[in-house]
Amino acid sequence: QPVLTQSSSASASLGSSVKLTCTLSSGHSNYIIAWHQQQPGRAPRYLMNLENSGSYSKGGGVPDRFSGSSSGADRYLTISNLQSEDEADYYCETWDGNTQGVFGGGTKLTVL
Amino acid sequence: EVQLVESGGGLVKPGGSLRLSCAASGFTFSSYGVNWVRQAPGKGLEWVSSISSTSTYIYYADSVKGRFTISRDNAENSLYLQMSSLRAEDTAVYYCARTYSSSSGYTDLWGQGTLVTVSS
Repeated sequence: QPVLTQSSSASASLGSSVKLTCTLSSGHSNYIIAWHQQQPGRAPRYLMNLENSGSYSKGGGVPDRFSGSSSGADRYLTISNLQSEDEADYYCETWDGNTQGVFGGGTKLTVL
Repeated sequence: EVQLVESGGGLVKPGGSLRLSCAASGFTFSSYGVNWVRQAPGKGLEWVSSISSTSTYIYYADSVKGRFTISRDNAENSLYLQMSSLRAEDTAVYYCARTYSSSSGYTDLWGQGTLVTVSS
C-alpha cells in the first residue's frame, strides 16, 4: 500500500510563491495523485490530478495561480502570487490498485 | 449545479447505528464511482469506503470493515453508508466524494459533510 508523506506546515508571504511536496513511498513513484484544498471550517475542494510525467489537469474554477509538477516520487503543488484565501490545509490523495484510497497527512499553509 | 449533499449525521451512543445519505445532482450519478471519506476533529482525511458506478466493486478501510455498509440507488441519485457497532473513534465529519471514474480512484468532487458524534 502506498504511503503519502507531506510536511505538516509551510508558510510564505502574501504575493510570493510556495511549493508544497507530497512524496510517494518506495515502489509507488509512478502513481497518479490528486491535490485538495481545505480552507478553515470548510469541506475539501479538488484542485488537480497530477501524473508522474508532471502532466496535470485542474478542476473547474481553480485559479491559474495553482500548478503541479513531478520529480521521481515527489509531487508538487505550486501556488503563485499567494492570496490570503490560499491559507488552508492541502492534502494529496492516491489509490492502491483501485481498492483503497490513501491520503497524506496534510500541509497547513500559512500566508504571512 | 453539480453537487453532493450529505445528511443523516447526529449524536449516537457507542454500539449504536446510523445511516448516512448523500444526494447527487447536476451530473450523471450512475456514471461515477463514489467514496465516503471522514475527518475526525482536528485530524486529516481518512478514506472509508468506495462503491463503483454499478455497485459491482465495493471496498472498505480495515477500520470499518464488518461494521459499515456502503450502497447506492442510481434511480434516486443517492449514496448511503449504514454504520453499526459505532465507536468513539468513528466520531468525524463524513464526506461524500465522487471519483473521477466509473470504478474507484481519486476524488474530483466533494460534498459539504455531515457530522457524526459517537458518545454516551
